[in-house]
Amino acid sequence: GEDVEQSLFLSVREGDSSVINCTYTDSSSTYLYWYKQEPGAGLQLLTYIFSNMDMKQDQRLTVLLNKKDKHLSLRIADTQTGDSAIYFCAEKPDSWGKLQFGAGTQVVVTP
Amino acid sequence: NAGVTQTPKFQVLKTGQSMTLQCAQDMNHEYMSWYRQDPGMGLRLIHYSVGAGITDQGEVPNGYNVSRSTTEDFPLRLLSAAPSQTSVYFCASSYSAGENYGYTFGSGTRLTVV
Repeated sequence: GEDVEQSLFLSVREGDSSVINCTYTDSSSTYLYWYKQEPGAGLQLLTYIFSNMDMKQDQRLTVLLNKKDKHLSLRIADTQTGDSAIYFCAEKPDSWGKLQFGAGTQVVVTP
Repeated sequence: NAGVTQTPKFQVLKTGQSMTLQCAQDMNHEYMSWYRQDPGMGLRLIHYSVGAGITDQGEVPNGYNVSRSTTEDFPLRLLSAAPSQTSVYFCASSYSAGENYGYTFGSGTRLTVV
């Protein structure tokens, strides 16, 4: 996913907030996604945001979108050990059905 | 349970061997796709299908073939395996290619080519 960039690693203490950042390049992307991958498993859709929105909140998850800077972030409040996983940012340009993924951010939650 | 089923979960091949990775979904999804996941590179699209009888190439199609004879099945064929094809392969599906609510992923096939 060379068009979608993420930092590769994030360490956070249990109970703190995690913030995972992502930048994308295709300004025509209408939908942006966050996926979670636990060890040995496939990807699970966490949340998505439409490009005409600035923020979306879903329980402990908050997605912020800065369309001008093409910057997307995922905030996890009160991070738990079960949140340890790889988180992928993905964009969906107008081309038919093709998701463009970032390289993934490994989040490690320490007690 | 409804979802995307991939088989096998693990496979070791010798260089030059051929094999087929199976993917089946029981959700009547029109759109299916294959990705490969490599460390530090995220997921890259190999091939996709917008319906039975229709397939197209993704970002990294070389060395792989697909077919879509039924809505449910979307097998991925490696004709002559190479070490560069060592990877984790994921199949994903959705109701349509225009689906905006994300895709359902299988649990993956870990392939090693020696």
